[in-house]
Amino acid sequence: AQKVTQAQTEISVVEKEDVTLDCVYETRDTTYYLFWYKQPPSGELVFLIRRNSFDEQNEISGRYSWNFQKSTSSFNFTITASQVVDSAVYFCALSEGVMGGQNFVFGPGTRLSVLP
Amino acid sequence: DGGITQSPKYLFRKEGQNVTLSCEQNLNHDAMYWYRQDPGQGLRLIYYSQIVNDFQKGDIAEGYSVSREKKESFPLTVTSAQKNPTAFYLCASSMSTGPDIQYFGAGTRLSVL
Repeated sequence: AQKVTQAQTEISVVEKEDVTLDCVYETRDTTYYLFWYKQPPSGELVFLIRRNSFDEQNEISGRYSWNFQKSTSSFNFTITASQVVDSAVYFCALSEGVMGGQNFVFGPGTRLSVLP
Repeated sequence: DGGITQSPKYLFRKEGQNVTLSCEQNLNHDAMYWYRQDPGQGLRLIYYSQIVNDFQKGDIAEGYSVSREKKESFPLTVTSAQKNPTAFYLCASSMSTGPDIQYFGAGTRLSVL
């Protein structure tokens, strides 16, 4: 069965620090997709990135970067020079194969607090 | 302005009462989903729909019902059979039920009186 683990329940950093959110996944499929979502205090989940299992290239988008390592089944998310607006709950998610739907599994989330 | 609209933002349920949460999307997406979020936990899938007039149970469908009479709308009814309905409910949609990006509404917070 597929599973997503986010071992860090809560993280607090001071503004301008770098922070890495960990995500470890389990799947038996060779084709799968990984996602990161941000849930600010308003409640709506905001899509950040999708990565498929055949593309291990790291990605950078502004202050955000993602490190995908199939060898360790990890898809970690780093925020550089954190800001107060980055305070939110961050979810990692996994979708196996091409079915999606019921095969879309979210991790428990990591609550990030960025202090001024 | 395309997106997903959930209403109401807050909802209170009395014992033995059924309540309905609204979800409307204007993204022309085929697939729609309902998730439940409890404090400190991830999202759990209640129901999803791949197409109009079709829907499938998720992991925690007991005590809930849905309909999909229009592409744009996917209302969720929390029935009196759901003994612990207090939670945050999120609706999402995607192009299809493949591994497409799911876009979310702002959620409805349901509490029991």
